[in-house]
Amino acid sequence: ETGVTQTPRHLVMGMTNKKSLKCEQHLGHNAMYWYKQSAKKPLELMFVYNFKEQTENNSVPSRFSPECPNSSHLFLHLHTLQPEDSALYLCASSQRKGNEKLFFGSGTQLSVL
Amino acid sequence: GQNIDQPTEMTATEGAIVQINCTYQTSGFNGLFWYQQHAGEAPTFLSYNVLDGLEEKGRFSSFLSRSKGYSYLLLKELQMKDSASYLCAVQPSGGSYIPTFGRGTSLIVHP
Repeated sequence: ETGVTQTPRHLVMGMTNKKSLKCEQHLGHNAMYWYKQSAKKPLELMFVYNFKEQTENNSVPSRFSPECPNSSHLFLHLHTLQPEDSALYLCASSQRKGNEKLFFGSGTQLSVL
Repeated sequence: GQNIDQPTEMTATEGAIVQINCTYQTSGFNGLFWYQQHAGEAPTFLSYNVLDGLEEKGRFSSFLSRSKGYSYLLLKELQMKDSASYLCAVQPSGGSYIPTFGRGTSLIVHP
């Protein structure tokens, strides 16, 4: 148990669907992150929030829309995804942005049909 | 930018020692992380090196040479449960300090 919980664990969606991924951290951290993990590729940073403010958007397509209502919760809203978006989406948190070790959730395995 | 290289896959025998290398090229370097990720699970923190040298933590040790752009993770007395992916992540100096990850090394430990 890392203190970071992601739901759902698995998600299958069509290209026209709208869905949301949820992340919650119980560690009192101030920074939260979304990463994409595809087979045979490095972990790819998508978004960073620090004290609820988005500080990084790593050229992510607009069909991915993050939301951070407070320091403990992070969402990733998905709409009109493509099959190549199928991947493991990992949420992480750290005490401070960038300079601390990351605590990861177990991820959402997303399949886009 | 950063370029991080680590072997894709390694195999080793239970009880043995294995060394997983990570080489990097970066315009500015602050530190290097190692994470372990079992299949279907969250990556978990193993070590963080800022200064040159070896840091030992139980069966796992991590080494850094800043001048050579090189690190390794040393796993001793291998156990079956050590079968996992090992991720090297390089932290830049300045800017956001957010680490960039390598592709990971899949370690298979067999009896």
